[in-house]
Amino acid sequence: EDQVTQSPEALRLQEGESSSLNCSYTVSGLRGLFWYRQDPGKGPEFLFTLYSAGEEKEKERLKATLTKKESFLHITAPKPEDSATYLCAVQPNSGGSNYKLTFGKGTLLTVNP
Amino acid sequence: EAGVAQSPRYKIIEKRQSVAFWCNPISGHATLYWYQQILGQGPKLLIQFQNNGVVDDSQLPKDRFSAERLKGVDSTLKIQPAKLEDSAVYLCASSFGPSPLHFGNGTRLTVT
Repeated sequence: EDQVTQSPEALRLQEGESSSLNCSYTVSGLRGLFWYRQDPGKGPEFLFTLYSAGEEKEKERLKATLTKKESFLHITAPKPEDSATYLCAVQPNSGGSNYKLTFGKGTLLTVNP
Repeated sequence: EAGVAQSPRYKIIEKRQSVAFWCNPISGHATLYWYQQILGQGPKLLIQFQNNGVVDDSQLPKDRFSAERLKGVDSTLKIQPAKLEDSAVYLCASSFGPSPLHFGNGTRLTVT
């Protein structure tokens, strides 16, 4: 069974204080690892997909990296508008048309001005 | 492009009543998913459709939940009868193959 564990559960930062969120996973063959952002009352919003160990992707103040067992979401000089829940999910390479994502519980990030 | 549309946004029902949620995916997306998100948890897949066929419904409580996707476009998720533990946000998502899932804003269900 695919499993995703995210840490910490909650993180409070001051504006400009860089940090990282962790996503550990077990999956029987990884097709892709996904990062989403979720604001209160909204559905998850896609950020990145990583496909192989060593891959990195960046978007504004966010950078996602991937190893064979975990992924990190690095946040550089965060701003209050980066406050949200960040979700990590894995998509197994199970063949056929089963593209389901298994999500972690998320990390609630709060950035104070 | 228009996003995934869901309705209603909120629903309050008493236990043992029935409820239905509607989803219209992004145009051209053959794959449609229903997820359940309980407060403080990540989304959990209930059912995945490819066109109007079911790909995965292994975590759907089939004694009370049902879903259909007629004509391979819109989908409806029904709960009958509802239990207190069904209180959650029901998210619909769609994708073009294995590409990133695009989510709607969900329906928040409260069962009293």
